Amino acid sequence: DAKTTQPPSMDCAEGRAANLPCNHSTISGNEYVYWYRQIHSQGPQYIIHGLKNNETNEMASLIITEDRKSSTLILPHATLRDTAVYYCIVITYKYIFGTGTRLKVLA
Amino acid sequence: SQTIHQWPATLVQPVGSPLSLECTVEGTSNPNLYWYRQAAGRGLQLLFYSVGIGQISSEVPQNLSASRPQDRQFILSSKKLLLSDSGFYLCAWIETGDTGELFFGEGSRLTVL
Repeated sequence: DAKTTQPPSMDCAEGRAANLPCNHSTISGNEYVYWYRQIHSQGPQYIIHGLKNNETNEMASLIITEDRKSSTLILPHATLRDTAVYYCIVITYKYIFGTGTRLKVLA
Repeated sequence: SQTIHQWPATLVQPVGSPLSLECTVEGTSNPNLYWYRQAAGRGLQLLFYSVGIGQISSEVPQNLSASRPQDRQFILSSKKLLLSDSGFYLCAWIETGDTGELFFGEGSRLTVL
């Protein structure tokens, strides 16, 4: 079973920040949090990952709470091309994806 | 550089027929390999993973089997397809022992009629 829970869907206005939450309350100390996204009919695309500290790359920012039981993926300026299903997963040696959040960016 | 190939890209098969999907990885050795399935409108379901030749772990009971006859080859099979086997099948890999990015193949779309 997936170790994460995410809202099934979210909408975001184009140009605004999209904040996608993820709960991983059973995460253990050495497990990483990874975010992927999947655009229709393609394989998932890696976005970002983190262990304890907040992370930022050219695509997004990842905010992990101090107790590590939840995290938020932030797309700072959402575009129409960011419409996709976003998966938050906790990595052991098995990469188990949940059902993700379907983000719809609205013009 | 590492690449992953998956074929066939599209497959239409009758119920009860056999299935073989193949995945090969280039440019790496001893990767961890994964098979996922995505039914229409659903999330990714982990079917099998392998940490080495001949080592297969099944995540869910089903009508499918997997084999790893060579280090960089991962095969998904069925002796008799069911309608419920329809879906988008994805192969993925990562370096052994790594906790990095999972790399996906292009996917194989199977329709069972």
